[in-house]
Order: sequence, then C-alpha cells, then structure tokens
Amino acid sequence: AQSVTQLDSHVSVSEGTPVLLRCNYSSSYSPSLFWYVQHPNKGLQLLLKYTSAATLVKGINGFEAEFKKSETSFHLTKPSAHMSDAAEYFCVVSEVSGNTGKLIFGQGTTLQVKP
Amino acid sequence: DAGITQSPRHKVTETGTPVTLRCHQTENHRYMYWYRQDPGHGLRLIHYSYGVKDTDKGEVSDGYSVSRSKTEDFLLTLESATSSQTSVYFCAIRAPGTRNEQFFGPGTRLTVL
Repeated sequence: AQSVTQLDSHVSVSEGTPVLLRCNYSSSYSPSLFWYVQHPNKGLQLLLKYTSAATLVKGINGFEAEFKKSETSFHLTKPSAHMSDAAEYFCVVSEVSGNTGKLIFGQGTTLQVKP
Repeated sequence: DAGITQSPRHKVTETGTPVTLRCHQTENHRYMYWYRQDPGHGLRLIHYSYGVKDTDKGEVSDGYSVSRSKTEDFLLTLESATSSQTSVYFCAIRAPGTRNEQFFGPGTRLTVL
C-alpha cells in the first residue's frame, strides 16, 4: 500500500531564512509525487510535481523538491522564506498503476513565517 | 485556474437531514473526485468518477453516495447527515495526459449540528 509521512506537523522559520519541509513516501510502483499548498480558508494549489523526469523539481514561488529514491524522500525547500509563504503544505503520492488516479495525502505541515 | 466551482460554499444542517453538494467543471475532463479534509488527516478520497454514470468508492465512502449524469457535474450526497460528517469537502478534476495531476475547487464547509 502506498503512504505518505510528513515528518513535521509544524515548522516555524524567520523571514529570509531557508525552508525545509520533510516528506517520506512508500510506494510499490514508480510514483508520481506532488506538493500542494493551502493558504488559510482557501483551496489547494499545486506547487510542484515529480513524474519520473528530472529528480530536482522546480515549482512556483521559488520552491523546489528533490526526489531521492534511495531514501524514499521528497523534501520541499526554499532558500529564503517570505511572509506570504505561511500556509499549510501537503505532500501527496499518486498511484500510477491502474487508472483510478487516487491521490494519497500526508497529514500536512503548517509553515509559520516570523518577521 | 481550472474551471471548478462548488456549491454551496457553506452549509449548516441538522443531524439526519439529507445534503447534496455540487461540483461543476468547465474543462470537460473525464475524471472527478470528492475529498474531505479534517485536521490531522490531510485530504481523504470519498468517491471518484471516471465518466458519466461511472463511479467508484474511495477510502472513506461510508455514508456518502455520488452521481454523475453529465460530464460537467459531480454530486455528493449525504443521505442522512451525522456530526462526524462535519468537514470541508473538496472536489477535484484530473488533468488529461498527466500522471494524475489534479486541480481542486474552492471547497464547501459543511457543519452538521
């Protein structure tokens, strides 16, 4: 069975410092992996995606993530946090086998950015 | 933004009453999904559809039913709402030709008293 574990439920950084949100996954197949962001009382927005091409994936707003198969990780990073980055972030794995298109979500990491 | 709307956006109802949530897309995509979001659980799949009249269960389908009579509309029904169904409900569509990239609607906040 596939699963996703976000290692931190809450991360707090100061504005201008690096961001690291950690995600480990479990998948029997070649996975597709995503990071979504949800600002307060808003819907989910796709930040970036890994779909078996380059292992270092760049997304919107300066975020990037690196797929490491040996570590089964897909950590999200950003060199310099901005106040507008404060939100909840979800690491997501998708089944590739079959055709149902089910997404499996991690529990989420709340990012707090302090001035 | 993908053309997905949800209605209503907010609803308060009482235990035992039926409730129907609507998801409408303008993208003509084949796959549509209903998720619920609860603190500490991320989003969990309730039901999904892979075409008109073609639906299947997700991981938390008990107490919910769905229907899809047109490509653009996917309805989620709570036959008899319970307090445990208080949640935020999101609809999503799957972009064709991608490895399951999904776009989400704005959500419906449902409170069952």
